[in-house]
Amino acid sequence: TQLLEQSPQFLSIQEGENLTVYCNSSSVFSSLQWYRQEPGEGPVLLVTVVTGGEVKKLKRLTFQFGDARKDSSLHITAAQPGDTGLYLCQRGGSEKLVFGKGTKLTVNP
Amino acid sequence: NAGVMQNPRHLVRRRGQEARLRCSPMKGHSHVYWYRQLPEEGLKFMVYLQKENIIDESGMPKERFSAEFPKEGPSILRIQQVVRGDSAAYFCASSPKQGATGELFFGEGSRLTVL
Repeated sequence: TQLLEQSPQFLSIQEGENLTVYCNSSSVFSSLQWYRQEPGEGPVLLVTVVTGGEVKKLKRLTFQFGDARKDSSLHITAAQPGDTGLYLCQRGGSEKLVFGKGTKLTVNP
Repeated sequence: NAGVMQNPRHLVRRRGQEARLRCSPMKGHSHVYWYRQLPEEGLKFMVYLQKENIIDESGMPKERFSAEFPKEGPSILRIQQVVRGDSAAYFCASSPKQGATGELFFGEGSRLTVL
């Protein structure tokens, strides 16, 4: 089973703080996706990373893919209440596209 | 601009009834995935289908659950003789082709409540 471990499971911070969440696996990813899911809605794709060491930025969000392609991180700068949601990582490149259990982020005003 | 369409959004069934969930993928997408999500949890893979073919159903219980994606019409996830433990949100996602990076586009989900 190709498990994805996400940490922390829950994170509650104040508006304006920075945070990092992680996605790890014991096996190599061919690609990895990050999604955000808001309550009552489906997940929305944020980014795809493919190359080891790759860094992608999406406004205040910075995504990094580990050099060995076994781990990834998502860093949010100056978090805002609108960033609140469940952040999910997903491995790509195989038939069974599995997800981690997610990090539930709450940003308090 | 049709994204992934799921219906019904909410479904209430009594124990022993059947639940039928529908998913129309994005235009041009021929790959459909079904996931199940319990409150405060991530997405659990159930089944992966292409048109008229089940590619991987390893995440779907062998009894009471079935899925199809016919040549014409939506993909359907069918749960027979529902039990309370089937209560969950069921999400459908589509992608344009296998062999791509694995990006998925999700519907808004169908929330099944079994009384």
